[in-house]
Amino acid sequence: KAGVTQTPRYLIKTRGQQVTLSCSPISGHRSVSWYQQTPGQGLQFLFEYFSETQRNKGNFPGRFSGRQFSNSRSEMNVSTLELGDSALYLCASSLYGEEAYEQYFGPGTRLTVT
Amino acid sequence: AQTVTQSQPEMSVQEAETVTLSCTYDTSESDYYLFWYKQPPSRQMILVIRQEAYKQQNATENRFSVNFQKAAKSFSLKISDSQLGDAAMYFCAYRGMTTDSWGKLQFGAGTQVVVTP
Repeated sequence: KAGVTQTPRYLIKTRGQQVTLSCSPISGHRSVSWYQQTPGQGLQFLFEYFSETQRNKGNFPGRFSGRQFSNSRSEMNVSTLELGDSALYLCASSLYGEEAYEQYFGPGTRLTVT
Repeated sequence: AQTVTQSQPEMSVQEAETVTLSCTYDTSESDYYLFWYKQPPSRQMILVIRQEAYKQQNATENRFSVNFQKAAKSFSLKISDSQLGDAAMYFCAYRGMTTDSWGKLQFGAGTQVVVTP
């Protein structure tokens, strides 16, 4: 099976712009979670989607949003970018069944805000 | 709220030797999952091993094994016969079973493992 894919891999944006990141889960996986990784804050949970519904959300401002499509692919959007949004954004997928609790990660999108 | 603590920022080990990484966590739940993930310089997070809290037996995966002490809320990772490819950042992660834990892993700060020839 193909692994989790994320596009684009690298992105440079200007403060105030918005950005959309994409994540395609492992085939058959229905849950997609997003994380932000920074040197200062480490790995922080953004949100989780299952069957096109956001089921859980981390402590991030409303500028961070996401959605999931019927094929389980997910996108996250960050509006009005700030310098502090520069980070590695990771998505992870899981089955959500007996072996659900293992999350498999994509390679990440490196976002730089200038 | 649950917290995960990794108190060792960096650990160094020689090839073929053994290294143990520490992780402690704080939770009021009785059922949960614990994981160790590895993040090499490529930044790809790789699942190393998982442990279900209801299982008393410690998990093992080839050269990787854990020492799970539920009462002490401790979950250490032992890497035996270390190889150069084991060099990476290792993260301990907690997954609860309540609805506010759906899809959410809580990570420690990580331990950088350096392997010397």
